[in-house]
Formats: sequence, C-alpha cells, structure tokens
Amino acid sequence: DIVMTQSPDSLAVSLGERATISCRSSQSLLYTSNNKNYLAWYQQKPGQPPKLLAYWAATRESGVPDRFSGGGSGTDFTLTISSLQAEDVAVYYCQQYYNPPWTFGQGTKVEIK
Amino acid sequence: EVQLVESGGGLVQPGGSLRLSCATSGFTLSNYLMSWVRQAPGKGLQWVANIKQDGSDKYYLDSVKGRFTISRDNAKNSLYLEMNSLRAEDTAVYYCARVPGIAAAGRSFFDIWGQGTMVTVSA
Repeated sequence: DIVMTQSPDSLAVSLGERATISCRSSQSLLYTSNNKNYLAWYQQKPGQPPKLLAYWAATRESGVPDRFSGGGSGTDFTLTISSLQAEDVAVYYCQQYYNPPWTFGQGTKVEIK
Repeated sequence: EVQLVESGGGLVQPGGSLRLSCATSGFTLSNYLMSWVRQAPGKGLQWVANIKQDGSDKYYLDSVKGRFTISRDNAKNSLYLEMNSLRAEDTAVYYCARVPGIAAAGRSFFDIWGQGTMVTVSA
C-alpha cells in the first residue's frame, strides 16, 4: 500500500497569514504517460464530511477559493492557504489515487493563532 | 442539488451484521463509480469499497474482503454496503462518496460526500 504522511500534524497560523501543509507519499504519484500526479486534497470541518479542494495535485475544485493552492510532484506535495481566514479552521487530508487501496494522510489540523 | 444521504447505521454486537444504504439525488447514478469511505472516531479517513457504474466490478480494502459487500441499484438511485462478521475495529462513520468522471479510469478520488452514518460495534 502507498503510505501518505502529512506534516505537521497541527499548525496555528494568524489570520491573514500563510499556512502550508506538506504531504509525502511512499512512492511516486506521477504517471509519466500523462504527466499527472494522482493526488487530491480535502478539507474537513468539525461535524462535517470531507470536501474536495483539489485534484491532480494542483487543479482546484470548482467553487474553492483561490487562496487554496496545491503543488508538488512525484512524492512531495503541498497545500497552501495564502491568507488564512477564520472559516479555514479544519483538518486537511491528502489522498493518493495512483494505486489501490486509495489511501489518505493522517490529517493536519489548522487552527487560528 | 447533488445529494447523498446515508442510513442504516447503529449499534451492533461483534459478529453481527448491518446494511447501510445511500440514497442519491441530483445526478444520474448510473454514470458514476461509487465508494464507501469510513472514519473511526477521532481518526482519519479510510477507503472501504468501490463499485463500477454497472455493478460489474467491485473492489475492497483487504481488511473487509469476504465480510463486506458493496452493491447498487441504479434504478432506485441507491448504493448499499452489507456488513457481516463485524468487529470492534469496524466502528466508524461510514460515508457514501461519488467518484467524478474526470478521475482516471479505475482510479478514485471523491467529489461528493454524504453526511455519514455511524456504525458502532460493541458488546
């Protein structure tokens, strides 16, 4: 199975400041035939189901604010919130869809400092 | 509005059975691969099972193979998860989730999620 490891487990950021979450996979998620990284990002607020933020590592889902951006390739990925808003307090998960079973990172909790 | 609504969760004894349902609306179910994903209390997300659009192929997490069965009824706009020989470690919120068409063939990420139904396995 592909192991997904996120860092940090939690972070506290001041309103308006940048938050960066890292996600590392135990093997490359880059499919060379189409040059796509098979990685998705989700946001989960307390008591709610996860919400898709991005796929193909960097393609933002429709309706997601542009302060959220995904990046990286191969085995190292990042989710950046450029200017943290109060409504961004949540747990964020990365997920690989390169090989089954589809696996998630352990989550990163983002709070307001 | 696209919507997934799970039902059927509850408290069950170890070794018992439960059938979860997911009612879908706002989209044509037969066009989409569908999944179940679970989340143990206070823990992260774990994919459980997938079923292809016509129900011809099904895929499972190793730890549930032989115990869980995913199925669908496109005419009834519904997805199901039959769970047998339940264990304490199956305790979780179970989410029904849709795999978007843009996902590569056979691969799964999830664009629409239900609110989930809680399954508790305890004596």
